[in-house]
Amino acid sequence: QSTLTQVPSASGSPGQSVTISCTGTRSDVGIYNYVSWYQHLPGKPPKLIIYDVNKRPSGVPSRFSGSKSGNTASLTVSELQAEDEGDYYCSSYSGNSVVIFGGGTRLTV
Amino acid sequence: QVQLVESGGGVVQPGKSLKLSCAASGFSFSNFAMHWVRQAPGKGLEWLAVIWFDGSDKYYAGSVKGRFTISRDNSNNVLYLQMNNLEDEDTAIYYCAKEVGSTYFYYYAVDVWGHGATVTVSS
Repeated sequence: QSTLTQVPSASGSPGQSVTISCTGTRSDVGIYNYVSWYQHLPGKPPKLIIYDVNKRPSGVPSRFSGSKSGNTASLTVSELQAEDEGDYYCSSYSGNSVVIFGGGTRLTV
Repeated sequence: QVQLVESGGGVVQPGKSLKLSCAASGFSFSNFAMHWVRQAPGKGLEWLAVIWFDGSDKYYAGSVKGRFTISRDNSNNVLYLQMNNLEDEDTAIYYCAKEVGSTYFYYYAVDVWGHGATVTVSS
């Protein structure tokens, strides 16, 4: 199975907003709403920040939001803060109980 | 406190086997599907396998299917990953992770991660 496509890097200044995209196909992102986003900071395990396209787990700030259009999902981080700097990964269900990840986007603040 | 702790990592020669364990605590382990995810050095996250809450079904990524086996012991709250015929490309940090949804409700997302077990395949 293939991976979802993410741009390798994104950047923004404190207080600004940045959107990270995640492109799949009609067989994964395009057909299922099981799209998730993870924040991975150095030296820590990944952290779930969005699931089911746009749901935020308890404790995740509302500055993080998710959406989907066609085969592309997006993560928007508003009011950027220095501690948001890290790697962001999308994932999607791709059928037959299999999950695929994107290649990751390094966010620089 | 919800916690996952992996163990069993180490250095192993190509072609050999290794078994990882993941001890769960702080939640009803037997009510949740569990996943294994890895990250090779300098690479992104790669989903490996999932096992249903009751162990009745297991699914694998193509890259490990036939070589890796996921299993669980709900009596002792432990998740396992048996890795056979290891290859250099299996060198990675291996994370166990808890499914967001419980029993038959799956989101194919994970909300609790262990800190990872390092596996190095090298001759």
